[in-house]
Amino acid sequence: GESVGLHLPTLSVQEGDNSIINCAYSNSASDYFIWYKQESGKGPQFIIDIRSNMDKRQGQRVTVLLNKTVKHLSLQIAATQPGDSAVYFCAEKGAGGYQKVTFGTGTKLQVIP
Amino acid sequence: GAGVSQSPSNKVTEKGKDVELRCDPISGHTALYWYRQSLGQGLEFLIYFQGNSAPDKSGLPSDRFSAERTGGSVSTLTIQRTQQEDSAVYLCASSPNYAETQYFGPGTRLLVL
Repeated sequence: GESVGLHLPTLSVQEGDNSIINCAYSNSASDYFIWYKQESGKGPQFIIDIRSNMDKRQGQRVTVLLNKTVKHLSLQIAATQPGDSAVYFCAEKGAGGYQKVTFGTGTKLQVIP
Repeated sequence: GAGVSQSPSNKVTEKGKDVELRCDPISGHTALYWYRQSLGQGLEFLIYFQGNSAPDKSGLPSDRFSAERTGGSVSTLTIQRTQQEDSAVYLCASSPNYAETQYFGPGTRLLVL
């Protein structure tokens, strides 16, 4: 199976600063990418997505950047707030309706008040 | 409408017993996923159902694990002869037909003593 049994890396950010969470993906055929946020004791929740024909997409306080050349995805959170403290997962999906979504290992974001 | 629901929310069992975990996806969602998440770790893919297609079982860690989805709706994950290393949170997610965004349930916290 696709084991992601590694302890999560942690990013500590001062409240009000911008956060950048990075993700490397391996499948060059992936054409759709998603960021999820998981708060303690809850299931992951959708934040923002991007298709492979785009380089950048912005939401409310969040921006996702996609660099297909180096297979890298990042999530930028502006003016980080205590409520942003959570684990963030990137996910990728290959082209075609039956392709399953594959999750990355996750990054824990700690916001320092 | 209602989101993805899972039951039970918590399950404590003795080593060697069988357990059944239930997932009720969002009505009309054709894709259903099961994941396992150990404490402080990422999401481990277990199994993927898409419509009437044969399920992708490539993530099931052993033959003690099985899952079924009846009538394209409710899914049950069964773990036979549970072991202590099976202790984890089991998450279910569903998504609309061939769409990529997954909606997660709250998970079932399994503890094997």
